[in-house]
Amino acid sequence: DQQVKQNSPSLSVQEGRISILNCDYTNSMFDYFLWYKKYPAEGPTFLISISSIKDKNEDGRFTVFLNKSAKHLSLHIVPSQPGDSAVYFCAASGRSGNTPLVFGKGTRLSVIA
Amino acid sequence: EAQVTQNPRYLITVTGKKLTVTCSQNMNHEYMSWYRQDPGLGLRQIYYSMNVEVTDKGDVPEGYKVSRKEKRNFPLILESPSPNQTSLYFCASSFGITPGLAGFEVDTQYFGPGTRLTVL
Repeated sequence: DQQVKQNSPSLSVQEGRISILNCDYTNSMFDYFLWYKKYPAEGPTFLISISSIKDKNEDGRFTVFLNKSAKHLSLHIVPSQPGDSAVYFCAASGRSGNTPLVFGKGTRLSVIA
Repeated sequence: EAQVTQNPRYLITVTGKKLTVTCSQNMNHEYMSWYRQDPGLGLRQIYYSMNVEVTDKGDVPEGYKVSRKEKRNFPLILESPSPNQTSLYFCASSFGITPGLAGFEVDTQYFGPGTRLTVL
């Protein structure tokens, strides 16, 4: 059973507009969430994270929103740039401290100039 | 430069021929992990290690072995590779779990560049 779900395998957005990537999770023990970005032929790189005590975390053009009651988080990129085109992975971890990261399947974002 | 290195980057082999993919990090990280990435399946964890001599199974450990004799190295061993192990493999490392506002914070994992393995 997939504990972290990214239901949109791909997303196309015009340059300058907002990109919204969604992630749902099923395990209520997850308390920490991360977004990773991956370009072809490279390893994933950390983008932004959020812990359960917050509902929003912002870093420049990137904002992550967490809705614990809905077990849903989203990544907003504003404004979107062509260099943002990549695969974005949502990941979650539990409070036990020994729980490894669980990744979603990823969403491929294409920002069109 | 802080980094995670993997070798080889590309490997084509045949069924049953033992192979090892090396992973090394120079950041003194305690936590290391191996993932495989497959189309439509995202990143799935194979094995992880919280510290030297401590290893645990991830989601898809079958057919793989690991060892953590030193802090910096975490090799992935395929004793008898099969075609279903054809995949893109990533090694990652981090400081692990650290105290933070939420009681703990999961430290950012740094990923290696990947190893593309083809088993014929």
